Amino acid sequence: EDQVTQSPEALRLQEGESSSLNCSYTVSGLRGLFWYRQDPGKGPEFLFTLYSAGEEKEKERLKATLTKKESFLHITAPKPEDSATYLCAVNTNAGKSTFGDGTTLTVKP
Amino acid sequence: EAGVVQSPRYKIIEKKQPVAFWCNPISGHNTLYWYRQNLGQGPELLIRYENEEAVDDSQLPKDRFSAERLKGVDSTLKIQPAELGDSAVYLCASSLDRPGTTDTQYFGPGTRLTVL
Repeated sequence: EDQVTQSPEALRLQEGESSSLNCSYTVSGLRGLFWYRQDPGKGPEFLFTLYSAGEEKEKERLKATLTKKESFLHITAPKPEDSATYLCAVNTNAGKSTFGDGTTLTVKP
Repeated sequence: EAGVVQSPRYKIIEKKQPVAFWCNPISGHNTLYWYRQNLGQGPELLIRYENEEAVDDSQLPKDRFSAERLKGVDSTLKIQPAELGDSAVYLCASSLDRPGTTDTQYFGPGTRLTVL
């Protein structure tokens, strides 16, 4: 059974305090790993797709990396507007999508 | 370009009543997904359509849930009768999938269902 575990469940940072979110996965045949951002009352918003171990992608203060067992979302010098829930999802060769339960990030000014 | 449209945004019903949700995907997207998201959890896939065909409905509670995607565009998800445990946010997503690849799913704003 495909499993996605995100840690920590919640993270509180001061503005400018860099940190990382973790997504550990166990799947049979990874086709892609996705990171989404979800604000309260809204649907998930796409951030990144990673396809193979060693791949990295960056967007503004966010950088996503992928190994064979986990992915990290690094947040550099976060701002209050980065506060949201960050979701990790895997898609398998069978076309199945499995989401983690997310990490809720709060950035204090 | 318009995103995924869902309606209604909110719905409050009494238990045992029926309810329906509607989704209009991004134009040209062949794959459509319905998810259920409980508070504090990630989305859980209910059903996935490729064009008109439901290719994965293994997590859909078929005794009370039904879905359709006529003409491979809009989709409707129905619950009849609703139970208290069905209270959740129902998300629709769409993607443009090609053989052997996985493409990004774009989500609508969701319908928040409250069953009293």
